[in-house]
Amino acid sequence: AQRVTQPEKLLSVFKGAPVELKCNYSYSGSPELFWYVQYSRQRLQLLLRHISRESIKGFTADLNKGETSFHLKKPFAQEEDSAMYYCASRGTSGSRLTFGEGTQLTVNP
Amino acid sequence: DGGITQSPKYLFRKEGQNVTLSCEQNLNHDAMYWYRQDPGQGLRLIYYSQIVNDFQKGDIAEGYSVSREKKESFPLTVTSAQKNPTAFYLCASSIIGTDTQYFGPGTRLTVL
Repeated sequence: AQRVTQPEKLLSVFKGAPVELKCNYSYSGSPELFWYVQYSRQRLQLLLRHISRESIKGFTADLNKGETSFHLKKPFAQEEDSAMYYCASRGTSGSRLTFGEGTQLTVNP
Repeated sequence: DGGITQSPKYLFRKEGQNVTLSCEQNLNHDAMYWYRQDPGQGLRLIYYSQIVNDFQKGDIAEGYSVSREKKESFPLTVTSAQKNPTAFYLCASSIIGTDTQYFGPGTRLTVL
């Protein structure tokens, strides 16, 4: 069974500091990895997917198969980045996602 | 934000009563999902459906039931058998074969 682990429930940084939200997965095949974000009073929404190798709102995430990790990074955090972040994986069959426990990021002024 | 709606936003029920949460989407998505969101536990999949009149159990289906009589609708019933029903429930939908799920605003259920 797939499993996604986010070891930090809470993460607090100052504005302008780098931020890294950790995500580790366990899956024997080649999973697809995603980051979803939930801003205050907004719906949960897709932030980025590893297959696109894109940068969204300054965030990037690299899939490291050796370490089975998909950490989310941003070099200079902004106050508007404060939100709950969920890492998720999807196996090769079906459309269901497996979510991690979530990390609440707070960017202080 | 439109396209997938959940009602009501807040729901209160007495212990022992069944309660049904509504989820409707007009995105023409084939797949729909129900998650439970608890602090520190992330989102856990309750049930999902990829086609009308068919659905599969997720990771925590015990005490819940669903139906998928229409493509647009995927109601979730929280039965009295669910031991800890107080939670925030999220519905989502997606196009089969794509990886993006679109989430509703959620329903917070409190069982008194």
